[in-house]
Amino acid sequence: IAGITQAPTSQILAAGRRMTLRCTQDMRHNAMYWYRQDLGLGLRLIHYSNTAGTTGKGEVPDGYSVSRANTDDFPLTLASAVPSQTSVYFCASRETGWYQETQYFGPGTRLLVL
Amino acid sequence: GQQVMQIPQYQHVQEGEDFTTYCNSSTTLSNIQWYKQRPGGHPVFLIQLVKSGEVKKQKRLTFQFGEAKKNSSLHITATQTTDVGTYFCAGPELTGGGNKLTFGTGTQLKVEL
Repeated sequence: IAGITQAPTSQILAAGRRMTLRCTQDMRHNAMYWYRQDLGLGLRLIHYSNTAGTTGKGEVPDGYSVSRANTDDFPLTLASAVPSQTSVYFCASRETGWYQETQYFGPGTRLLVL
Repeated sequence: GQQVMQIPQYQHVQEGEDFTTYCNSSTTLSNIQWYKQRPGGHPVFLIQLVKSGEVKKQKRLTFQFGEAKKNSSLHITATQTTDVGTYFCAGPELTGGGNKLTFGTGTQLKVEL
């Protein structure tokens, strides 16, 4: 069982370019999340999806979009990258159940926008 | 919105010393979770506390949930180099059916030999 996979592992991107970060889980979790992590700022939620076909905005959604066509995949797109989007991006999924809020994280994508 | 703060932000200890990080929420939480992130790694779930005043232990780690369910602590006894990393607490947001977590700011632990 792979859990959550993310691709690419790292990327250097020119400002203004479009980029899609991929996230796939094999745990059949309904809820999925995208976070960015910057030094000293912890984890900030970008977008989330409670179930396939639905998405919602998190704390820092500007400049990002997501889609959830099926349960397993939750791609994050930067339409026109800017240097302030340089960060480590983590995808996560949530185990469902009564009082089950536990999130499982992917290995992350390290993005540098120049 | 809900805010979750942690102190201290950084902690350097000698191996064998104890370590404690504190987590405070601006709102009452239905539960609180703790995650550990090793340097260069991703956050990994450690534990979830649900009941007021709950205390749980995992080997050298002791987790407490406050009586008012607004604060929590993680205590590590006799730290080891394997304890190095950043420890985050997280609590579910009151909106959205509890499907989102608000993460604390994290405490980075460094252990020196």
